[in-house]
Amino acid sequence: EVQLLESGGGLVQPGGSLRLSCAASGFTFITNAMSWVRQAPGKGLEWVSAISGSGGTTYYADSVKGRFTISRDNSKNTLYLQMNSLRAEDTAVYYCAKDGRTTVPTGDYFDYWGQGTLVTVSS
Amino acid sequence: SYVLTQPPSVSVAPGQTARITCGGNNIGSKTVPWYQQKPGQAPVLVVYDDSDRPSGIPERFSGSNSGNTATLTISRVEAGDEADYYCQVWDSSSDHWVFGGGTKLTVL
Repeated sequence: EVQLLESGGGLVQPGGSLRLSCAASGFTFITNAMSWVRQAPGKGLEWVSAISGSGGTTYYADSVKGRFTISRDNSKNTLYLQMNSLRAEDTAVYYCAKDGRTTVPTGDYFDYWGQGTLVTVSS
Repeated sequence: SYVLTQPPSVSVAPGQTARITCGGNNIGSKTVPWYQQKPGQAPVLVVYDDSDRPSGIPERFSGSNSGNTATLTISRVEAGDEADYYCQVWDSSSDHWVFGGGTKLTVL
């Protein structure tokens, strides 16, 4: 059974940093691209970042480029999102999501999602 | 950047058919998945590759995609189908995933 378990969310002051983790199990982690998707309170889904199975290719939404860094440790079956220079508008539930078939993000779909971790940026 | 447009809300009586549209420039040339999200829960994939269903998703859920519009169709709507629905595409010109704004399905 595929499981994705996010952790690391919490309350942080504007300008602060936070690292999210997503522990994966139930599939061969290295064979699938992964993404982070966020959802601000009462709002829709917003894609944040994606990474290839090897970790060699990364993509970022314009809203987070230069502030967030996606990475993965395939030996630990874990996906990460390092978030720096956080802003109030980064407040959201952050989900990790698994690509259905592809090793590189190229237009597949997300077949499994974690339950999300809440990040609140506030003073 | 690529934009996907969904109606904010769709209402339908139980047993009727709900159609949720997703508009985008030449979206028919892309493959479109659809997600269902109930309050307080993570999204769930209900249609992928425009019209295929993951295992466990009822046959009542179907999809189509042509021209500038992709459509999620839910037949014989049930109260349990009440949720937000999102379409998604990969924009290869920007290497970005794009979500539609979401449609709230209300079962009357």
